[in-house]
Amino acid sequence: GAGVSQTPSNKVTEKGKYVELRCDPISGHTALYWYRQSLGQGPEFLIYFQGTGAADDSGLPNDRFFAVRPEGSVSTLKIQRTERGDSAMYLCASSLQRGSPLHFGNGTRLTVT
Amino acid sequence: AQKITQTQPGMFVQEKEAVTLDCTYDTSDPSYGLFWYKQPSSGEMIFLIYQGSYDQQNATEGRYSLNFQKARKSANLVISASQLGDSAMYFCAMREGDGGSEKLVFGKGTKLTVNP
Repeated sequence: GAGVSQTPSNKVTEKGKYVELRCDPISGHTALYWYRQSLGQGPEFLIYFQGTGAADDSGLPNDRFFAVRPEGSVSTLKIQRTERGDSAMYLCASSLQRGSPLHFGNGTRLTVT
Repeated sequence: AQKITQTQPGMFVQEKEAVTLDCTYDTSDPSYGLFWYKQPSSGEMIFLIYQGSYDQQNATEGRYSLNFQKARKSANLVISASQLGDSAMYFCAMREGDGGSEKLVFGKGTKLTVNP
Protein backbone atom coordinates (compact mmCIF):
# COMPACT_ATOMS: atom_id res chain seq x y z
CA GLY A 1 0.00 0.00 0.00
CA ALA A 2 0.88 3.65 0.08
CA GLY A 3 3.46 5.09 2.41
CA VAL A 4 2.99 7.83 4.97
CA SER A 5 1.30 10.81 3.34
CA GLN A 6 1.72 14.37 4.56
CA THR A 7 -0.16 17.40 3.36
CA PRO A 8 0.51 20.05 2.39
CA SER A 9 4.05 19.49 1.15
CA ASN A 10 4.75 23.19 1.57
CA LYS A 11 3.04 25.81 3.72
CA VAL A 12 3.86 29.50 3.86
CA THR A 13 2.10 31.52 6.52
CA GLU A 14 2.40 34.87 8.20
CA LYS A 15 3.62 35.31 11.72
CA GLY A 16 0.76 35.01 14.18
CA LYS A 17 -1.42 32.79 12.01
CA TYR A 18 -2.73 29.33 12.82
CA VAL A 19 -1.69 26.30 10.76
CA GLU A 20 -2.66 22.65 10.57
CA LEU A 21 -0.42 19.94 9.17
CA ARG A 22 -1.93 16.59 8.26
CA CYS A 23 -0.44 13.10 8.40
CA ASP A 24 -2.01 9.95 6.98
CA PRO A 25 -0.04 6.93 8.25
CA ILE A 26 0.43 3.57 6.63
CA SER A 27 -2.75 1.55 6.96
CA GLY A 28 -2.69 -0.65 10.05
CA HIS A 29 0.13 1.20 11.77
CA THR A 30 -0.87 1.87 15.35
CA ALA A 31 2.01 4.14 16.29
CA LEU A 32 2.38 7.66 14.87
CA TYR A 33 5.10 10.21 15.49
CA TRP A 34 5.73 13.86 14.71
CA TYR A 35 9.24 15.22 14.36
CA ARG A 36 10.61 18.64 13.46
CA GLN A 37 13.79 19.07 11.46
CA SER A 38 15.58 22.39 11.18
CA LEU A 39 18.08 23.05 8.43
CA GLY A 40 21.33 21.17 8.98
CA GLN A 41 20.01 19.24 11.96
CA GLY A 42 18.62 15.81 12.67
CA PRO A 43 14.91 15.37 13.34
CA GLU A 44 13.74 16.30 16.84
CA PHE A 45 10.94 14.40 18.51
CA LEU A 46 7.69 16.23 19.16
CA ILE A 47 4.96 13.73 20.04
CA TYR A 48 4.10 10.03 19.82
CA PHE A 49 0.64 8.47 19.55
CA GLN A 50 -0.26 4.90 20.29
CA GLY A 51 -3.73 4.54 18.87
CA THR A 52 -5.77 7.63 19.65
CA GLY A 53 -3.87 8.75 22.71
CA ALA A 54 -0.71 10.78 22.98
CA ALA A 55 1.65 8.40 24.77
CA ASP A 56 4.49 10.91 24.92
CA ASP A 57 4.21 14.64 24.17
CA SER A 58 7.39 15.64 25.93
CA GLY A 59 8.91 17.08 22.74
CA LEU A 60 6.25 19.72 22.10
CA PRO A 61 8.15 22.99 22.57
CA ASN A 62 5.30 24.99 24.14
CA ASP A 63 1.53 25.23 24.42
CA ARG A 64 1.19 26.73 20.94
CA PHE A 65 1.75 23.23 19.59
CA PHE A 66 -0.94 20.59 19.80
CA ALA A 67 -1.64 17.33 17.96
CA VAL A 68 -4.62 15.03 17.70
CA ARG A 69 -5.40 11.61 16.31
CA PRO A 70 -9.11 11.22 17.02
CA GLU A 71 -9.76 7.92 15.25
CA GLY A 72 -6.36 6.33 15.62
CA SER A 73 -5.38 6.90 12.01
CA VAL A 74 -4.95 10.40 10.54
CA SER A 75 -3.22 12.93 12.76
CA THR A 76 -3.16 16.71 12.67
CA LEU A 77 -0.41 18.86 14.13
CA LYS A 78 -1.75 22.28 15.04
CA ILE A 79 0.37 25.37 15.63
CA GLN A 80 -1.20 28.52 17.02
CA ARG A 81 0.20 32.06 16.76
CA THR A 82 3.06 30.91 14.54
CA GLU A 83 6.49 32.45 14.99
CA ARG A 84 9.38 32.69 12.54
CA GLY A 85 11.28 30.20 14.66
CA ASP A 86 8.63 27.59 13.87
CA SER A 87 9.91 27.46 10.28
CA ALA A 88 11.18 23.94 9.69
CA MET A 89 10.40 20.63 8.03
CA TYR A 90 7.73 18.76 9.95
CA LEU A 91 8.03 15.01 9.55
CA CYS A 92 5.44 12.40 10.37
CA ALA A 93 6.24 8.72 10.80
CA SER A 94 4.31 5.59 11.61
CA SER A 95 5.23 2.11 12.74
CA LEU A 96 3.38 -1.18 12.83
CA GLN A 97 3.85 -1.73 16.52
CA ARG A 98 6.12 -0.87 19.38
CA GLY A 99 9.72 -1.64 18.54
CA SER A 100 9.23 -1.62 14.76
CA PRO A 101 11.21 0.75 12.55
CA LEU A 102 9.64 4.10 11.77
CA HIS A 103 8.46 4.84 8.24
CA PHE A 104 8.56 8.54 7.44
CA GLY A 105 6.54 10.70 5.10
CA ASN A 106 8.04 13.33 2.81
CA GLY A 107 7.35 16.06 5.32
CA THR A 108 5.69 19.47 5.29
CA ARG A 109 8.02 22.43 4.80
CA LEU A 110 6.60 25.23 6.98
CA THR A 111 7.79 28.77 6.38
CA VAL A 112 6.62 31.55 8.68
CA THR A 113 7.19 35.01 7.23
CA ALA B 1 25.21 15.48 26.91
CA GLN B 2 24.56 14.48 23.33
CA LYS B 3 22.78 11.16 23.14
CA ILE B 4 23.94 10.54 19.57
CA THR B 5 27.17 11.94 18.16
CA GLN B 6 28.07 11.90 14.50
CA THR B 7 31.47 13.52 14.20
CA GLN B 8 31.71 13.59 10.40
CA PRO B 9 29.72 16.48 8.91
CA GLY B 10 30.71 15.33 5.44
CA MET B 11 32.31 12.30 3.83
CA PHE B 12 33.48 11.59 0.30
CA VAL B 13 33.92 8.18 -1.29
CA GLN B 14 34.69 6.90 -4.76
CA GLU B 15 32.04 4.86 -6.50
CA LYS B 16 32.40 1.13 -5.79
CA GLU B 17 34.49 1.75 -2.68
CA ALA B 18 33.36 1.03 0.89
CA VAL B 19 32.74 3.82 3.41
CA THR B 20 32.20 3.91 7.17
CA LEU B 21 30.01 6.53 8.81
CA ASP B 22 30.67 6.99 12.51
CA CYS B 23 28.12 7.07 15.30
CA THR B 24 28.62 7.01 19.05
CA TYR B 25 25.84 7.01 21.60
CA ASP B 26 25.32 7.71 25.26
CA THR B 27 22.87 5.81 27.43
CA SER B 28 22.74 4.15 30.82
CA ASP B 29 19.79 1.99 29.82
CA PRO B 30 20.79 -1.65 29.23
CA SER B 31 18.07 -2.04 26.61
CA TYR B 32 18.15 0.17 23.55
CA GLY B 33 17.96 0.08 19.79
CA LEU B 34 20.11 1.80 17.21
CA PHE B 35 18.92 2.84 13.76
CA TRP B 36 20.37 4.33 10.62
CA TYR B 37 18.29 6.40 8.23
CA LYS B 38 19.13 7.86 4.82
CA GLN B 39 17.72 11.22 3.76
CA PRO B 40 18.15 12.06 0.07
CA SER B 41 17.72 15.62 -1.17
CA SER B 42 14.02 14.85 -1.67
CA GLY B 43 13.66 14.92 2.12
CA GLU B 44 12.17 11.52 2.89
CA MET B 45 13.78 9.56 5.73
CA ILE B 46 14.48 6.00 4.60
CA PHE B 47 15.08 3.27 7.17
CA LEU B 48 18.28 1.33 6.47
CA ILE B 49 19.24 -0.92 9.35
CA TYR B 50 18.54 -1.70 13.01
CA GLN B 51 20.68 -3.10 15.85
CA GLY B 52 19.30 -4.10 19.22
CA SER B 53 21.48 -3.79 22.30
CA TYR B 54 21.10 -7.49 23.07
CA ASP B 55 21.73 -8.69 19.54
CA GLN B 56 24.77 -10.95 19.47
CA GLN B 57 25.60 -10.39 15.84
CA ASN B 58 26.13 -7.23 13.84
CA ALA B 59 23.14 -6.35 11.69
CA THR B 60 23.40 -6.57 7.91
CA GLU B 61 20.99 -5.50 5.17
CA GLY B 62 22.31 -5.95 1.67
CA ARG B 63 25.17 -3.47 1.16
CA TYR B 64 24.64 -2.00 4.64
CA SER B 65 26.18 -3.41 7.78
CA LEU B 66 26.37 -2.04 11.28
CA ASN B 67 29.66 -2.32 13.15
CA PHE B 68 28.31 -2.53 16.70
CA GLN B 69 30.91 -2.15 19.45
CA LYS B 70 28.94 -2.12 22.68
CA ALA B 71 31.81 -1.43 25.05
CA ARG B 72 32.81 1.59 23.00
CA LYS B 73 29.18 2.63 22.54
CA SER B 74 29.65 2.91 18.83
CA ALA B 75 27.37 1.85 15.98
CA ASN B 76 29.11 2.71 12.74
CA LEU B 77 27.39 2.19 9.40
CA VAL B 78 29.40 0.50 6.68
CA ILE B 79 28.26 0.87 3.10
CA SER B 80 29.98 -1.50 0.69
CA ALA B 81 30.36 -0.97 -3.06
CA SER B 82 29.13 2.64 -2.96
CA GLN B 83 26.80 3.81 -5.70
CA LEU B 84 26.06 7.32 -6.94
CA GLY B 85 22.56 6.97 -5.51
CA ASP B 86 24.03 6.59 -2.03
CA SER B 87 24.78 10.32 -1.96
CA ALA B 88 22.56 11.65 0.82
CA MET B 89 22.44 12.64 4.48
CA TYR B 90 22.75 9.74 6.89
CA PHE B 91 21.36 9.87 10.41
CA CYS B 92 22.08 7.61 13.34
CA ALA B 93 19.32 7.33 15.94
CA MET B 94 18.67 5.60 19.25
CA ARG B 95 15.58 4.43 21.08
CA GLU B 96 16.01 3.76 24.78
CA GLY B 97 14.26 1.23 26.95
CA ASP B 98 11.76 -1.54 26.49
CA GLY B 99 8.68 -0.14 28.13
CA GLY B 100 9.09 3.56 27.85
CA SER B 101 8.62 6.05 25.09
CA GLU B 102 9.11 4.95 21.54
CA LYS B 103 10.81 8.19 20.57
CA LEU B 104 13.99 8.16 18.54
CA VAL B 105 16.82 10.57 19.28
CA PHE B 106 18.76 11.49 16.14
CA GLY B 107 22.29 12.69 15.56
CA LYS B 108 23.09 15.70 13.41
CA GLY B 109 23.86 13.58 10.41
CA THR B 110 26.68 13.00 7.95
CA LYS B 111 26.49 14.14 4.35
CA LEU B 112 27.87 11.44 2.08
CA THR B 113 28.98 12.28 -1.43
CA VAL B 114 29.81 9.45 -3.82
CA ASN B 115 32.11 10.52 -6.62
CA PRO B 116 32.10 8.83 -10.04
